[in-house]
Amino acid sequence: GAVVSQHPSRVICKSGTSVKIECRSLDFQATTMFWYRQFPKQSLMLMATSNEGSKATYEQGVEKDKFLINHASLTLSTLTVTSAHPEDSSFYICSAPVAGGRSYEQYFGPGTRLTVT
Amino acid sequence: AQSVTQLDSHVSVSEGTPVLLRCNYSSSYSPSLFWYVQHPNKGLQLLLKYTSAATLVKGINGFEAEFKKSETSFHLTKPSAHMSDAAEYFCVVKNYGNNRLAFGKGNQVVVIP
Repeated sequence: GAVVSQHPSRVICKSGTSVKIECRSLDFQATTMFWYRQFPKQSLMLMATSNEGSKATYEQGVEKDKFLINHASLTLSTLTVTSAHPEDSSFYICSAPVAGGRSYEQYFGPGTRLTVT
Repeated sequence: AQSVTQLDSHVSVSEGTPVLLRCNYSSSYSPSLFWYVQHPNKGLQLLLKYTSAATLVKGINGFEAEFKKSETSFHLTKPSAHMSDAAEYFCVVKNYGNNRLAFGKGNQVVVIP
């Protein structure tokens, strides 16, 4: 099946710094990618939809200036957490859909564990 | 808007006994439904999906689920639990026409030896 990778898998940063997380579709092109956030022992919350060649669409309550998304190519989307604070510590997961007719599936990356100290 | 309800946030089963995880959905249109499994600090792996074909769907690792429109349900079952089944399970719904997914809160499955 399709493969989505994320880098880094874990990152620790100091409060006030910025962190970039990459999401790549390895063997297919993705005009759309999704970014989720998962708090411990909770479900995934959609943060934003990343669109290749255009602006990302953010969910209500998600700060656009804090979580910068860039979909630079058909295989790469990046999420930059700017001026990170400890409350931004979380598990960030990206996904990319693969569709054909009624057959649809989203492939998820392995996630990035962000810890802000 | 679509939504998913998963009751029983924690489920304990003995090894070798059946597993039943309940999922009820709300959707305005004909939905696609999925079950994903997540092991600790890992991404999500697709177990199975329903996309308007057969209502009884067989997935990986011996799991299956039955779509019941009249009950708006998509319960996940496995006849015999293995230790490796200990993980978090998410029921997910997607409406026809857009790519947005709605996740249930998840079931944490513990398998007792």
